[in-house]
Amino acid sequence: NAGVTQTPKFQVLKTGQSMTLQCAQDMNHNSMYWYRQDPGMGLRLIYYSASEGTTDKGEVPNGYNVSRLNKREFSLRLESAAPSQTSVYFCASRLYGTDYEQYFGPGTRLTVT
Amino acid sequence: SQQGEEDPQALSIQEGENATMNCSYKTSINNLQWYRQNSGRGLVHLILIRSNEREKHSGRLRVTLDTSKKSSSLLITASRAADTASYFCATEKTGGGNKLTFGTGTQLKVEL
Repeated sequence: NAGVTQTPKFQVLKTGQSMTLQCAQDMNHNSMYWYRQDPGMGLRLIYYSASEGTTDKGEVPNGYNVSRLNKREFSLRLESAAPSQTSVYFCASRLYGTDYEQYFGPGTRLTVT
Repeated sequence: SQQGEEDPQALSIQEGENATMNCSYKTSINNLQWYRQNSGRGLVHLILIRSNEREKHSGRLRVTLDTSKKSSSLLITASRAADTASYFCATEKTGGGNKLTFGTGTQLKVEL
């Protein structure tokens, strides 16, 4: 099992460019999440998908869109990147319900110049 | 806003010593979880404690939960250099919609 995989690992964008971060899990999890991590801020939830076919905004959704492509895949899109979106992005997944742990991908380090 | 706030923000100890870090939260929870993050890596789940539990052990880890004070502590006994990492608490709020809210983390450095 690969667990949670993310591509790319690193990316540099110019302001205004767009890109899609890809995430896939092979653990048959219902729920998937996108976080960003900035120094001193911990992890902040951007969007999540509690189950296939649903997506909801998290704490910091502005400037992002998501697609739950199928049960395995959950992508995060930046339509017009801004320097404030420079961050490390983590995807996570877990089973639906109470008292389950989350499994995290290795992260994507994004720099917007 | 952050649900969990860890204390201290940074902790430096000698190998063999115990490390204690604390987490406070604001709302009613189903459970509280602790995660570890090595530099440049994703988070890894360490332990989950349910709201009706007061203490839980896993190897060298001991977690306590005081729901009346809305606080938790993580104790790592006999620390090793390999325990050097950031540690985050995360809460699953009651009625919170199948998601976790993470704190800002404690950076632990264990020196030889």
